[in-house]
Amino acid sequence: QSALTQPASVSGSPGQSITISCTGSSSDVTIYNYNYVSWYQQHPGKAPKLMIYEVTNRPSGVSNRFSGSKSGNTASLTISGLQAEDEADYYCSSYTSSSTQVFGTGTKVTVL
Amino acid sequence: QVHLVQSGTEVKKPGASVKVSCKASGYTFTAYYVHWVRQAPGQGLEWMGWINCNSGGTVYAQKFQDRVTMTRDTSISTAYMELNSLTSDDTAVYYCATGPLIVTFDYWGQGTQVTVSS
Repeated sequence: QSALTQPASVSGSPGQSITISCTGSSSDVTIYNYNYVSWYQQHPGKAPKLMIYEVTNRPSGVSNRFSGSKSGNTASLTISGLQAEDEADYYCSSYTSSSTQVFGTGTKVTVL
Repeated sequence: QVHLVQSGTEVKKPGASVKVSCKASGYTFTAYYVHWVRQAPGQGLEWMGWINCNSGGTVYAQKFQDRVTMTRDTSISTAYMELNSLTSDDTAVYYCATGPLIVTFDYWGQGTQVTVSS
């Protein structure tokens, strides 16, 4: 199972919106039309934090500046009103047709 | 609240095995799956496998199929991940993670540093 494809880096100025893509295949992101894509934020030296699950859902406590979507075999994470604290690495994850999980390659978000 | 506490730093020689523990609290241990994820220095997240803490059933990533064993002890709400035949490529931080949805990692342990060096 190959890792899902993400851009290596994305940057934006405070207050702007940015979008991170996550491209997979019919074996994962678009499997059976299920919505089993999640997004995780990781600050240096810290454990990852769940930001979005089932493509569009936000866990309790996560800012509504974070939103998710999916089109075909590409899922996306949008961060609106970019803030300094959003600077981190972001990973997508998907369930697969082999009953396994796969992560994306990771995206470093820089706030200019 | 859900809390996962992992065992401490490990230093191993090539060819050895390592066993990392993950003690859960704050929920019914057998209600959730526990996943294991690792992260090599400067690299991304890599999913290793999961264990159904109720039945003990496991699913491993193909890459680790021959070298990893995941177990659990329901009496002490603890999951284990054992990795054999270690090489320097196995040097990484190993995380356990869980949550009410099998496909989502809501809660994470603090991570266990495993260093493989001669």
